[in-house]
Amino acid sequence: EVQLAESGGGLVHPGGSLRLSCAASGFTFNAYWMSWVRQAPGKGLEWVATIKQDGSEKYYVDSVKGRFTISRDNAKNSLILQMNSLRVEDTAIFHCARRIGRGWFDPWGQGTLVTVSS
Amino acid sequence: QSMLTQPPSASGTPGQRVTISCSGSSSNIGGNYIYWYQHLPRTAPKLLIYMNNQRPSGVPDRFSGSKSGTSASLAISGLRSEDEADYYCAAWDDILSAPVFGTGTKVTVL
Repeated sequence: EVQLAESGGGLVHPGGSLRLSCAASGFTFNAYWMSWVRQAPGKGLEWVATIKQDGSEKYYVDSVKGRFTISRDNAKNSLILQMNSLRVEDTAIFHCARRIGRGWFDPWGQGTLVTVSS
Repeated sequence: QSMLTQPPSASGTPGQRVTISCSGSSSNIGGNYIYWYQHLPRTAPKLLIYMNNQRPSGVPDRFSGSKSGTSASLAISGLRSEDEADYYCAAWDDILSAPVFGTGTKVTVL
């Protein structure tokens, strides 16, 4: 069964850092682009970042450029999101997702909650 | 980041048909495939429709998708209590060079 499981969320002060992980299983991880998508409280889904199979290409939503870094460890079937200079508006549930195509994500993980508050 | 426009809510009684609209522009829906996702709180979003009108295996044929010009629709026929969830459309945006999601529609089964 194809599965994605996020971890690493928590409470952090504004300006702080957090590292999210996503463990993938049930499919050939290094054959797929992978993405992070978030949902702020009371808001809709927002794409955050995407990384190519070999990590050679990375794309970000403008609001996180220069602060977040997406990476992957294909040997460990793991997707990472390093988040620095966190802001209150980054508070959200972060989902990792396997990217099949442009706008096409399947499956998704259940998500991990990131709360940025003083 | 621009978003696709959906009605905030939709509702129906069990057995009824509910339709959710998704409005965009020529840079997203007009020139690319539309996808639909079902999301219950604190769970993983689930792919319902891909490439405008295709259902993944395991998705009931009560769910159907269509696209015309810069708009798309998701129809749920034979509404059931377990269909109560948030629904999001998504498409690639050629100007942003990024995927964009709809604003989301909460479906309530009365």
